[in-house]
Amino acid sequence: AQSVTQPDIHITVSEGASLELRCNYSYGATPYLFWYVQSPGQGLQLLLKYFSGDTLVQGIKGFEAEFKRSQSSFNLRKPSVHWSDAAEYFCAVKGSGNTGKLIFGQGTTLQVKP
Amino acid sequence: DADVTQTPRNRITKTGKRIMLECSQTKGHDRMYWYRQDPGLGLRLIYYSFDVKDINKGEISDGYSVSRQAQAKFSLSLESAIPNQTALYFCATSLERAVSYNEQFFGPGTRLTVL
Repeated sequence: AQSVTQPDIHITVSEGASLELRCNYSYGATPYLFWYVQSPGQGLQLLLKYFSGDTLVQGIKGFEAEFKRSQSSFNLRKPSVHWSDAAEYFCAVKGSGNTGKLIFGQGTTLQVKP
Repeated sequence: DADVTQTPRNRITKTGKRIMLECSQTKGHDRMYWYRQDPGLGLRLIYYSFDVKDINKGEISDGYSVSRQAQAKFSLSLESAIPNQTALYFCATSLERAVSYNEQFFGPGTRLTVL
C-alpha cells in the first residue's frame, strides 16, 4: 500500500540555521511528490512538487527538496530559516490510479527559536 | 478574493445534530475533495468528486455524505455528528489535465467541534 512517513513530529531550529525535514514514501512506480505548508489558521499552500527530471526541485519561500529514488525519500531543505517559517509541513504522494487523491504524511511541526 | 472558500470557518455542535460544511471555488476546476485533519494523522480523504455526476468515497467516508450542487460547489454533511468527528476539515480542488499532475489547491479549513 502507498504510504508517506514523516519521521519527525516536531522540530525546533534557531533562526538563521539550516533546516531539513524528512519524508519517506512507499510507492511502486515513479511517484509524484509534494510538500505543503500549513501556517497557523491557514489552509495548505504548495511549496514545491516533483514529477520527473531534475531530482533537486526549487520551490517558493527559498525551499528546495531532493528526490532520492534509492532511499525512497523526498527531503525538504532550507539554508537559513526565518521566524515566519514556523508552521506545519506535510509531504504527500499522488495516489495510484485515477482517483486524483493525495496521500499525506503525518506532518512535521517546525518551531523557530529567536 | 480567495479561490477556494469554506463556510463556516468554525463550528461547535452537539452530538446527534446534522451539520453541513460548504466549499466553493472560483478556479474553474473540475475535481473537488474533502479531507479531515487530525493531530498526528495528517490529512485523510473523505470523499472526492470528478464532476457533478461523479462522486466517490475516500478512505474514511463512514458517517459522512456529500453533495456536488454545481461544478463550483461541494458540500460535506454529517448526518448525526459524534465527538470523534471533531477535526479540521479541508476542501481542495484540482484540474484534470495531465500537465497539472493533480496539484491540489486547498481552502482555509473548517474547525468542527462536536460536544
